[in-house]
Amino acid sequence: EAQVTQNPRYLITVTGKKLTVTCSQNMNHEYMSWYRQDPGLGLRQIYYSMNVEVTDKGDVPEGYKVSRKEKRNFPLILESPSPNQTSLYFCASSPLASGITDTQYFGPGTRLTVL
Amino acid sequence: GENVEQHPSTLSVQEGDSAVIKCTYSDSASNYFPWYKQELGKRPQLIIDIRSNVGEKKDQRIAVTLNKTAKHFSLHITETQPEDSAVYFCAASGFKSGGSYIPTFGRGTSLIVHP
Repeated sequence: EAQVTQNPRYLITVTGKKLTVTCSQNMNHEYMSWYRQDPGLGLRQIYYSMNVEVTDKGDVPEGYKVSRKEKRNFPLILESPSPNQTSLYFCASSPLASGITDTQYFGPGTRLTVL
Repeated sequence: GENVEQHPSTLSVQEGDSAVIKCTYSDSASNYFPWYKQELGKRPQLIIDIRSNVGEKKDQRIAVTLNKTAKHFSLHITETQPEDSAVYFCAASGFKSGGSYIPTFGRGTSLIVHP
C-alpha cells in the first residue's frame, strides 16, 4: 500500500531533550517536506527536500534540522525542544519530478508536547 | 514570499445547501492550486486541484474555479452532506526563481453541515 508513515504518533517530552520524528514513504517520491499545524495558522512548512542530500528551509525552520540520506526517509530533528514547538507535525511527499508540480501525500501526523 | 488568504474561517450551512470557500494568492509564479480536506484527527487529503492553464474543474459535487488575473480561486461544494463537515485548506505552489518550491497554505475553513 502506497503510504507515508511517521513515528512516533504522540510524544511528550521536556525542554532541551533532543528528539527525532521519523518519516518514510514507499512511493519513490523525490519531494518530501515537514509541516507544523497550529490552531488558526494552517499548515506551515518547516523544511523540504527536492532529492537525496538536497534540503532547504521552508517558512518556519528555526529550531529544527532535517536530513535526507535516503530517498524514502526524511527525519525531523529537534536538537533542543522548547514549549513553543508544541504542535501537530505532518510529513508529506510528492512526485515532484522534472519541475512539474503535483499534490502532496501526508503522513498521519505526530502530536508533540514539550513541557 | 507567497501569501495565501482564505475566507471564511468558519462556514455553517444546512444539508443540501451549497458552500463556497475563497482564496487569494500573491505570487504570480504559483501555478498549482490544490484543495485539501482534513477531518477531525486525520491527515489532510487532496479533494481537487487545478493548474494555472485551466479556469475550472469539476468532480461530482465539488468544483474549483481559478482567476489568474485576479489571483483568486474558489472551492464550490453543492448539495452538501453532513460528511462534508471538515476543515478545508487551499494552497498555492509553484517553482520560484532560484528553484525553491514552498507550497503555501491558507489558514483553513471549518465547514459545518447541519442535518
